[in-house]
Amino acid sequence: SQQGEEDPQALSIQEGENATMNCSYKTSINNLQWYRQNSGRGLVHLILIRSNEREKHSGRLRVTLDTSKKSSSLLITASRAADTASYFCATPPSGSARQLTFGSGTQLTVLP
Amino acid sequence: EAGVAQSPRYKIIEKRQSVAFWCNPISGHATLYWYQQILGQGPKLLIQFQNNGVVDDSQLPKDRFSAERLKGVDSTLKIQPAKLEDSAVYLCASSGSGYRAKSQETQYFGPGTRLLVL
Repeated sequence: SQQGEEDPQALSIQEGENATMNCSYKTSINNLQWYRQNSGRGLVHLILIRSNEREKHSGRLRVTLDTSKKSSSLLITASRAADTASYFCATPPSGSARQLTFGSGTQLTVLP
Repeated sequence: EAGVAQSPRYKIIEKRQSVAFWCNPISGHATLYWYQQILGQGPKLLIQFQNNGVVDDSQLPKDRFSAERLKGVDSTLKIQPAKLEDSAVYLCASSGSGYRAKSQETQYFGPGTRLLVL
């Protein structure tokens, strides 16, 4: 069963604009992770935010976590064509520290 | 340092045939995962190993899928016999300490094996 679900399913923006993707999950978590997948490639870890954190930054990425709403958002600022990829949120299923359950992803297209 | 290696990258077989995938995790990573990713979906965990023992194989279709991790390093995933619905990308990932690990929970993925069953 899927724990996290991303929204929107697809997003198309112009280069230089910001992209925001959301993730909702169902059960209590101790961390939430975001991964990127370029077409035909494996997943690449972007950022991990723990349940006691509300916001985290990494370069042009900003992740927020609202445990009361069971939701997270990923913001990519000043997007580039190279940011075109699928973005997945992943959460540990209940009772597991090392497993991850992935959502269906947001397909981001950044137009040059 | 090398990342997670997988082979082959692509495989085309006919239904009812057998196929095997190989994975070499990042050196020192104790935990290894196999995922199935169907087009348009997120990865779904098939099996998780801790060293050479199985932690979770609850989503592995055991009537046709098998996996092993000999000596707690390399792993193979086998499908026998394959069905049309097995067409997917099979991803291997590992996690653990070392190799600039961001955290114990971070998973590092290989490039995947794209399987097409005709």
